[in-house]
Amino acid sequence: AQSVTQLDSQVPVFEEAPVELRCNYSSSVSVYLFWYVQYPNQGLQLLLKYLSGSTLVKGINGFEAEFNKSQTSFHLRKPSVHISDTAEYFCAVIAGGTSYGKLTFGQGTILTVHP
Amino acid sequence: DGGITQSPKYLFRKEGQNVTLSCEQNLNHDAMYWYRQDPGQGLRLIYYSQIVNDFQKGDIAEGYSVSREKKESFPLTVTSAQKNPTAFYLCASSSRGGFPDTQYFGPGTRLTVL
Repeated sequence: AQSVTQLDSQVPVFEEAPVELRCNYSSSVSVYLFWYVQYPNQGLQLLLKYLSGSTLVKGINGFEAEFNKSQTSFHLRKPSVHISDTAEYFCAVIAGGTSYGKLTFGQGTILTVHP
Repeated sequence: DGGITQSPKYLFRKEGQNVTLSCEQNLNHDAMYWYRQDPGQGLRLIYYSQIVNDFQKGDIAEGYSVSREKKESFPLTVTSAQKNPTAFYLCASSSRGGFPDTQYFGPGTRLTVL
């Protein structure tokens, strides 16, 4: 069974600083990886996904993530954050071979951007 | 605009009562899902349905029930057997139900048991 670990429950950062949100997964088979963002009292919005091909994936709002198979990681990065990036971020994985594409989520990382 | 709607946004229930949460999608997706979100625990799968008139239990199905009589609708009933139902409930859908389909989420319903 796959699992996802988000290494930081909270990340405070100042506006215009770079940020990295860390995500590690465990799976014995190939994986497909996702990052979602959730603003307070709202649903989840897809930021980006890795299915195959280039290991560097670009998403919406200037975010990008890099799939590292040897490190079993899929860290999310942004070179310069804005106040509006304050939200909770979830890493999720689908393991190859599952019959219906079950998404397994990490516990979430709350990103707080300070002025 | 295509999307997923959930109603109501906030729901209050007395202990011992059943309550039904609505989820409707107009994306023409085959698969639909229900998740429960608790602070610090991420999202946990309650039930999923890959096609009309078929559904399967997820990781935490006890105390919940669903139906899938129409492609666009997947209501969730929280029964009195659910020991700790206060949570944020999210509905999602995907086009085929097979991997690696992207799941799209509704705005959620916050259920509070008084």
